[in-house]
Formats: sequence, structure tokens, C-alpha cells
Amino acid sequence: KAGVTQTPRYLIKTRGQQVTLSCSPISGHRSVSWYQQTPGQGLQFLFEYFSETQRNKGNFPGRFSGRQFSNSRSEMNVSTLELGDSALYLCASSLGPTGKHYEQYFGPGTRLTVT
Amino acid sequence: AQKITQTQPGMFVQEKEAVTLDCTYDTSDQSYGLFWYKQPSSGEMIFLIYQGSYDEQNATEGRYSLNFQKARKSANLVISASQLGDSAMYFCAMRADNQGGKLIFGQGTELSVKP
Repeated sequence: KAGVTQTPRYLIKTRGQQVTLSCSPISGHRSVSWYQQTPGQGLQFLFEYFSETQRNKGNFPGRFSGRQFSNSRSEMNVSTLELGDSALYLCASSLGPTGKHYEQYFGPGTRLTVT
Repeated sequence: AQKITQTQPGMFVQEKEAVTLDCTYDTSDQSYGLFWYKQPSSGEMIFLIYQGSYDEQNATEGRYSLNFQKARKSANLVISASQLGDSAMYFCAMRADNQGGKLIFGQGTELSVKP
């Protein structure tokens, strides 16, 4: 069974540009969550999608947005990039948002560098 | 608000010995889950073990066990018979059952296994 895939793996952008990152969950998984990891702030929750609906959102500015498609694949978009957006962006998938045994499986991440 | 504290930024352990990584948490929720993830230098987050707040027995997964002390709000990870491949960052995380997929992470502990 294939794991969570994220594309691209590495990305270099310039301040002011926008970027779109993609995440394909494990087959059968319907929930996708996104996290930002930086040396200073650690791992922070961005948002979660389930059945094409955003269920939860972290404390990030509106420049960060996402969506989920009917096949559960998800994209996140960052507009007007700032230097501080340089980070490893991790996507995690799970079967669904309910139940005690809710294991999230992470992808390899997309490393974004903003210059 | 939920908070995870990992007080050991870095730890060393001799190969084949056991090691305990500390994790304390703070939450007002009654129903929640505690997770441990391993992050090698490649960046991917690998799920290790899960403990539910109502689980009476400590969780075990192979060489990993979770020492859950609910009254003290601690969820320490014990790795038995350390291997060189265990060298990585380890993150403790929690999720309230009413928060869907939102994981709150600690700052991590960098474990180095010496031959």
C-alpha cells in the first residue's frame, strides 16, 4: 500500500510569489492535515480537511489556504510569500476524524525556501 | 489550551541500552490521545505509538512502550535495546478527541545512539 506522497519535495521561491503544494493521502484515507515545521516555532497545525470540507484551522494568516478534492487529494496555497514562510510543510492522512484510534501517517514533506 | 512539554533537547544512549524520553502535557479535555513520532534527518514523521486517555494499560509496540501516568499528565516513551537506527528527533504530540486531526506537538528530543 502506497504511503502519503507530497509534491514537489523541494521548492525555491521569491518573496511576493505564491506557491501550491500537493498531498496525496493513503488510499482509502479521507482526512488530510497540514503542518508547518520551522526551527523556531517547531511543528504547527495549519488546517485539516475531511470530505472536501475544512474541519479545523490553525492560527495562520489568510495567505495560507487549502482545499481537498473528491479523491481526497489536497493542496495548500501560500500567497505573497514572506521569508518567514521558509519551512518544511508536512501533510498527514488518516481514515477519518472520529474515533479514538486515529492514527495519522505523514508524508515526506515539501521543503520550501523563500529568498 | 493544550500544551506539550519535552524538557530534554538532546540525549545520548549506548547501543543496546534502554532510554526514556520525557513528555508532559497540559489539557482540560477529558478525552484525548497521546502520540509519539520519530523524525529522521530525511524529514518524514514516522508514527511510533498511541495511547488513549481512557486506556487502562500502557501501550506497547515492539521495542517502544509508553509509560502513561494520567494523574501526573506524563506520557514518556521508553525505547528498549537501542539501535543505531534509532538516532533521530522524537516528538510527543496530543490530540483532543473533539479536535479532529489537530495534533499539538512538543519541541522534540534529539536522540543519539552511540555504538
